[in-house]
Amino acid sequence: ETGVTQSPTHLIKTRGQQVTLRCSSQSGHNTVSWYQQALGQGPQFIFQYYREEENGRGNFPPRFSGLQFPNYSSELNVNALELDDSALYLCASSPSEYEKLFFGSGTQLSVL
Amino acid sequence: AQSVTQLDSHVSVSEGTPVLLRCNYSSSYSPSLFWYVQHPNKGLQLLLKYTSAATLVKGINGFEAEFKKSETSFHLTKPSAHMSDAAEYFCVVRSGSARQLTFGSGTQLTVLP
Repeated sequence: ETGVTQSPTHLIKTRGQQVTLRCSSQSGHNTVSWYQQALGQGPQFIFQYYREEENGRGNFPPRFSGLQFPNYSSELNVNALELDDSALYLCASSPSEYEKLFFGSGTQLSVL
Repeated sequence: AQSVTQLDSHVSVSEGTPVLLRCNYSSSYSPSLFWYVQHPNKGLQLLLKYTSAATLVKGINGFEAEFKKSETSFHLTKPSAHMSDAAEYFCVVRSGSARQLTFGSGTQLTVLP
């Protein structure tokens, strides 16, 4: 067990809707990253939060946004869902920016 | 810039035989390299990492990898495969002080009885 939990495990939405995915990190982990894993591909970096501030972003549009809270929980929000947003979304936390990442099991999002 | 190429999308071995999963990388700066394993319905687990110390890196569950700068390779090996090794394996690079990890497309390892 990695100590990182994600909810929900599965989610079905329709195109144009908004979705919020949640992640609970280990106590003391002040860095959280989110990754998108499309079917048959490796995870792609969405963004990273360090002490509640976004400090790194991959090649994803602004409709992907996040929040990190002082209680080691975080959210990934996606607005105006598109069919291509269907993927496994992974949360990963670490004690600091460049230390080992601990991954959750992911949220499987299906956009119809 | 950083990128990873996993040379085999599928590898099949018999139980008890050696495993070789191949990975080439590209990095503008001194890279950190990792191998992660993903079992179905489980989170990604770190097998091993290279961060400019010894070029031969030993990881968990008997896996090891060798960093070869001249070949820009970081192949994963295990002397004897076990049924429980069947999973998806990802080679990952972080270039210099970049915050993001860049994953390869994965290698699905099948272990035959």
